[in-house]
Amino acid sequence: EDKVVQSPLSLVVHEGDTVTLNCSYEVTNFRSLLWYKQEKKAPTFLFMLTSSGIEKKSGRLSSILDKKELFSILNITATQTGDSAVYLCAAMNYGGSQGNLIFGKGTKLSVKP
Amino acid sequence: NAGVTQTPKFRVLKTGQSMTLLCAQDMNHEYMYWYRQDPGMGLRLIHYSVGEGTTAKGEVPDGYNVSRLKKQNFLLGLESAAPSQTSVYFCASSYFGFRGNSPLHFGNGTRLTVT
Repeated sequence: EDKVVQSPLSLVVHEGDTVTLNCSYEVTNFRSLLWYKQEKKAPTFLFMLTSSGIEKKSGRLSSILDKKELFSILNITATQTGDSAVYLCAAMNYGGSQGNLIFGKGTKLSVKP
Repeated sequence: NAGVTQTPKFRVLKTGQSMTLLCAQDMNHEYMYWYRQDPGMGLRLIHYSVGEGTTAKGEVPDGYNVSRLKKQNFLLGLESAAPSQTSVYFCASSYFGFRGNSPLHFGNGTRLTVT
């Protein structure tokens, strides 16, 4: 069965800290790994990673995929209170008639001032 | 630039009542999806559509029906609500779907409580 596991499930840090969120996957016909940020409402798209070892960066956030070891990490440097959210990892595959997007349960990040 | 819009935002139903959730997108996306999100369960796919007039079952379709009469709209119906359907429902859309490797864009969700 396809699965995506995120760790830790929750994390509390102080402003200015650097955090690393983990995502491991076991997915047949793997295509790509996606990261979303979910505050109170809609998950908002952060990154899509298709190739191993190539870092994607957006401001203080960066992410990388390791297709050999089947995991991805999301790094946030110099955290701010606005980074407090649930971060979702999802693996996309192309199996079956339409493929699928398998979500992890999320990591809840709380950044304290 | 509205993106994906869901209505209503909140709803409380009694067991056995019916309702329809509306999703509208203005990005001309072919693919649309309905997910539910429950604590400790992550996002689970209910139904999806690969184009106007088409629908298909996802991971947890029981108790729900959908329709895609117009490309921009995707409706989720509950014919006889049950407490197990208490959840937050998200609609999403994408250009090329999962096989096309395109990310999903989500609406703001509908919080449904069934008493």
